[in-house]
Amino acid sequence: EIVLTQSPGTLSLSPGERATLSCRASQSVSSSYLAWYQQKPGQAPRLLIYGASSRATGIPDRFSGSGSGTDFTLTISRLEPEDFAVYYCQQYGSSPPSTFGQGTKLEIK
Amino acid sequence: QVQLQESGPGLVKPSETLSLTCTVSGGSISSYYWSWIRQPAGKGLEWIGRIYTSGSTNYNPSLKSRVTMSVDTSKNQFSLKLSSVTAADTAVYYCAREDGIVGYYYGMDVWGQGTTVTVSS
Repeated sequence: EIVLTQSPGTLSLSPGERATLSCRASQSVSSSYLAWYQQKPGQAPRLLIYGASSRATGIPDRFSGSGSGTDFTLTISRLEPEDFAVYYCQQYGSSPPSTFGQGTKLEIK
Repeated sequence: QVQLQESGPGLVKPSETLSLTCTVSGGSISSYYWSWIRQPAGKGLEWIGRIYTSGSTNYNPSLKSRVTMSVDTSKNQFSLKLSSVTAADTAVYYCAREDGIVGYYYGMDVWGQGTTVTVSS
């Protein structure tokens, strides 16, 4: 069973800074099957990245994804006030068919 | 654009069956996977399962024995049933559209707003 572990649990940064969020898988995951989501309080999650590095429709280019195998990264190049939220990685696979990481909370410092 | 709306009882008694429906508007339900995800208050996301418009399903192994999903293409709806519920099943339940092809996953690109289900007597 694939487990996704995100780190850090909480990241405290200021607007304008660069954010680097990690997602580590317990077994190798195809980069084609790795997605990232943003969730703000009281809202449904929003798809940011699919295929580990492709931005979803309407996502600003300050968001980028990278990685392969067991280590994946979501980078926000210059934080805007609206970027402070919780971020989840997700894998699509066969065992189990889908899994989310536990999330990283990005908070204003 | 495509929109999803969850509906169903907000309160379910312990040991009974939770039943939710997701209505797809603004587009066809055909040729996509449709998923259910839940989120207990203050906690992370848990994938429950998915159904394709053909009726084929994948379920979270931890919930598989209690989950049934179905799809009604004539009504552009898909549904979730979770049996023998306990307080641990109290959560916000989301429906979402999943897209992908063989060898590539495009993610959950459309989500419903979520519906809160409380399990209590």
